[in-house]
Amino acid sequence: AQSVTQPDIHITVSEGASLELRCNYSYGATPYLFWYVQSPGQGLQLLLKYFSGDTLVQGIKGFEAEFKRSQSSFNLRKPSVHWSDAAEYFCAVVQSGGSYIPTFGRGTSLIVHP
Amino acid sequence: EPEVTQTPSHQVTQMGQEVILRCVPISNHLYFYWYRQILGQKVEFLVSFYNNEISEKSEIFDDQFSVERPDGSNFTLKIRSTKLEDSAMYFCASSLSGPYNEQFFGPGTRLTVL
Repeated sequence: AQSVTQPDIHITVSEGASLELRCNYSYGATPYLFWYVQSPGQGLQLLLKYFSGDTLVQGIKGFEAEFKRSQSSFNLRKPSVHWSDAAEYFCAVVQSGGSYIPTFGRGTSLIVHP
Repeated sequence: EPEVTQTPSHQVTQMGQEVILRCVPISNHLYFYWYRQILGQKVEFLVSFYNNEISEKSEIFDDQFSVERPDGSNFTLKIRSTKLEDSAMYFCASSLSGPYNEQFFGPGTRLTVL
C-alpha cells in the first residue's frame, strides 16, 4: 500500500527565512503528488500538484516543489516565508492511472517567528 | 468569491445515533467529496461523488456511511450509527471537472461522539 511520510511534525522559521518541508512516498510507480495548506479553522487549499513533466512545479503563494524520483520525494519550498504562511501543510499521493483515492501525510505544522 | 459551506460547524451526538452532515458545494461544480481528519492526525479520503453516484470510496467508507445529493445544492454525509471513533473533523470539497482539478474545501464540521 502506498504511504506518505512527512518526517517533521513541527518546523519553526523566522520571517524572511527560507523554508523546506519534506515529503517522501512509498509507491512503485510515479504517483500524482499534491501539497495542501490548512490555515486554522479552515479547510485545505491546494498549493500545487505534480503529474508529469517538469519536475519543478510552481504553486500559489510563492511556493514550489521538486519531484525527485530517485529519492521518492516531493519537498515543498519557499525562498522567503511570511508570517501568514503559518499553517499546517499536507502532502498527498494518488496512484497514477488508478482510482482517485489519495493518501495524505500526517502534516507539518509551520510556525513563523517575527 | 464562491465557496463551499458546511453545516453545522460542530455536532455533538450520542454513540449509536444517526447524524447527517450537510454541505453546499460551489454551484457549478460537478464532483463532490468527503474527507475526515481525526484530531491531530492525517486527513483521510472517504468518498467521491459524481453524476449522482459514488465514484470512489476508501476502506473507511463502510456500510455505516452514505452520501446523497438530495437536491440541486446540497451534498450530505450520513453516519447511521455513530461510534466513538467517528469523532473527527469532516470536510466537504467540490471540483468543477474531476478530482485531479482543484478541489475547494469547506471549513469542516467537527463531529463529537459521546
